[in-house]
Amino acid sequence: QKEVEQDPGPLSVPEGAIVSLNCTYSNSAFQYFMWYRQYSRKGPELLMYTYSSGNKEDGRFTAQVDKSSKYISLFIRDSQPSDSATYLCAMEYTGANSKLTFGKGITLSVRP
Amino acid sequence: DAGITQSPRHKVTETGTPVTLRCHQTENHRYMYWYRQDPGHGLRLIHYSYGVKDTDKGEVSDGYSVSRSKTEDFLLTLESATSSQTSVYFCAISDGSGRQYFGPGTRLTVL
Repeated sequence: QKEVEQDPGPLSVPEGAIVSLNCTYSNSAFQYFMWYRQYSRKGPELLMYTYSSGNKEDGRFTAQVDKSSKYISLFIRDSQPSDSATYLCAMEYTGANSKLTFGKGITLSVRP
Repeated sequence: DAGITQSPRHKVTETGTPVTLRCHQTENHRYMYWYRQDPGHGLRLIHYSYGVKDTDKGEVSDGYSVSRSKTEDFLLTLESATSSQTSVYFCAISDGSGRQYFGPGTRLTVL
């Protein structure tokens, strides 16, 4: 079993839809959880960073962590065509310099 | 791109030739990483550095070496390039908070 599993998609939604992106993981030692957004032919950019369980909101984006279920989610409200990108989840043990473990990413397309 | 540049941005080379990719940062971050990204595999760590002259292997380090003689520069060398090393290579930096920031990438094609 892979340490981090992410639905490969792709996912296509109409503009204005609520999008839910998810990752599951197997190692309960992960404590720091991130979402990266990657536009085509660009480097990944850090979108959300959360520690332990709970929710974090930033504009139209909400990151949710459920450590008991080993499940993290990224919600995008009122999705826009500019949200069309690949989204990667990432996890880390210590919050210091340990290595990130990435999901493989899901490609989202928001149709005008 | 958080003060990270990569050079070259594109390179086409032939099997068996040596190739060096450069990552340069202006953030004075201690930690630097090299990843490759391939369809179906996602991002995979090649090597990383936790300080000048301090480096360690990642999950796909075979065929690659790195060097870091200055805080701002992290070099990735393919000693003898193979077609399986055709990929997009990303450098990342971190201040030790766990957050990593990525460069724009280098697209390498080995013929």
